[in-house]
Amino acid sequence: GEEVAQTPKHLVRGEGQKAKLYCAPIKGHSYVFWYQQVLKNEFKFLISFQNENVFDETGMPKERFSAKCLPNSPCSLEIQATKLEDSAVYFCASSQSRRDDPNYGYTFGSGTRLTVV
Amino acid sequence: DAKTTQPNSMESNEEEPVHLPCNHSTISGTDYIHWYRQLPSQGPEYVIHGLTSNVNNRMASLAIAEDRKSSTLILHRATLRDAAVYYCILRDLQGGSEKLVFGKGTKLTVNP
Repeated sequence: GEEVAQTPKHLVRGEGQKAKLYCAPIKGHSYVFWYQQVLKNEFKFLISFQNENVFDETGMPKERFSAKCLPNSPCSLEIQATKLEDSAVYFCASSQSRRDDPNYGYTFGSGTRLTVV
Repeated sequence: DAKTTQPNSMESNEEEPVHLPCNHSTISGTDYIHWYRQLPSQGPEYVIHGLTSNVNNRMASLAIAEDRKSSTLILHRATLRDAAVYYCILRDLQGGSEKLVFGKGTKLTVNP
């Protein structure tokens, strides 16, 4: 399809519980990105994939966050032992860009709102 | 870190043009200027991008200063559905990273 599908839309977890978020990128898009939006307007880049390979993970909190993009499966972002500060909206985006092709844009999903209580 | 500066908020009246400014004084020759917007409760949405020349598409126009240190997103006739946060982002395709670096954006309010 022509949309990035994120599930679930809302997720509530108690502190210390695990949270797992899913993202189905647009078919044919080779790049997938995860962003965290904690406060309104403030986006934090977490990680990107080129196909199933990690492309850039400079934004990932290494201790509790992990992510995968396996063939023929939705991509996933997992948070072990959630903390209150992990409460945020997590956006996934996909792109068919190539580094030398400027004529593209990202397509974002509508996000997963994670609330840690 | 975001390399662009935008006003925190702007207001417009419905059916009037809106000019959203963006300063990017440290822009390099290989940086493209991209604009995204985020409507309430949605993910960001691509609006337009350009390099040196002004650009038009069905959503908006992008006017780029001759020295490329600033640009302006133009909505020709604002509607209530254009109320959103607008982000101006520089993309360096030679930098080795594909990620978008968001600043705080401009919150546009459209009055009926």
